Amino acid sequence: AQSVTQLGSHVSVSEGALVLLRCNYSSSVPPYLFWYVQYPNQGLQLLLKYTSAATLVKGINGFEAEFKKSETSFHLTKPSAHMSDAAEYFCAVIPAGYSTLTFGKGTMLLVSP
Amino acid sequence: EAGVTQSPTHLIKTRGQQATLRCSPISGHTSVYWYQQALGLGLQFLLWYDEGEERNRGNFPPRFSGRQFPNYSSELNVNALELEDSALYLCASRPTGRNSPLHFGNGTRLTVT
Repeated sequence: AQSVTQLGSHVSVSEGALVLLRCNYSSSVPPYLFWYVQYPNQGLQLLLKYTSAATLVKGINGFEAEFKKSETSFHLTKPSAHMSDAAEYFCAVIPAGYSTLTFGKGTMLLVSP
Repeated sequence: EAGVTQSPTHLIKTRGQQATLRCSPISGHTSVYWYQQALGLGLQFLLWYDEGEERNRGNFPPRFSGRQFPNYSSELNVNALELEDSALYLCASRPTGRNSPLHFGNGTRLTVT
């Protein structure tokens, strides 16, 4: 089954530091890829999506992700972390030929002052 | 535009009872998805409805069922509740188009005692 793997259940950064959240997908055919964020007691909010156009995708709140087919990766980055970025982040995939979104297990981002 | 709305926000039931959760999609969205987010288990796909029909279901027992109404709203029914059904149930909708992202509601927190 097609899936995504998120490395690290928790990532801690200092305010102002680079944020890097890792996501790898398992597919021989490039799928559709998404990053979502979930704040406490809320639903999921779409950060950005890759749908086979540009490999570097810019999203909301200063986040971006780069699709690398050779590495089957879709890592999420932000140059400078803010306290308000503290949340759980989910990478998700719609495999080619499917219509159901499959989520990774999530990475909790902790931002310290 | 109004987002995906779910009701109730919290629901407390006892083991063996039935629970009904409701979801109203974004106007114009014909597909509705249900996900279960249980502690430690991540986001698990439950059901997908499109144009009033069940299109796919995840690996859940038959006591999890639902339907989609002509106005595209949906309800999720869970019969014979078990303690492990306690979770956040998220509804999402999207317009036609396989690469369209899902838009999530804030969820219903179901607690089974």
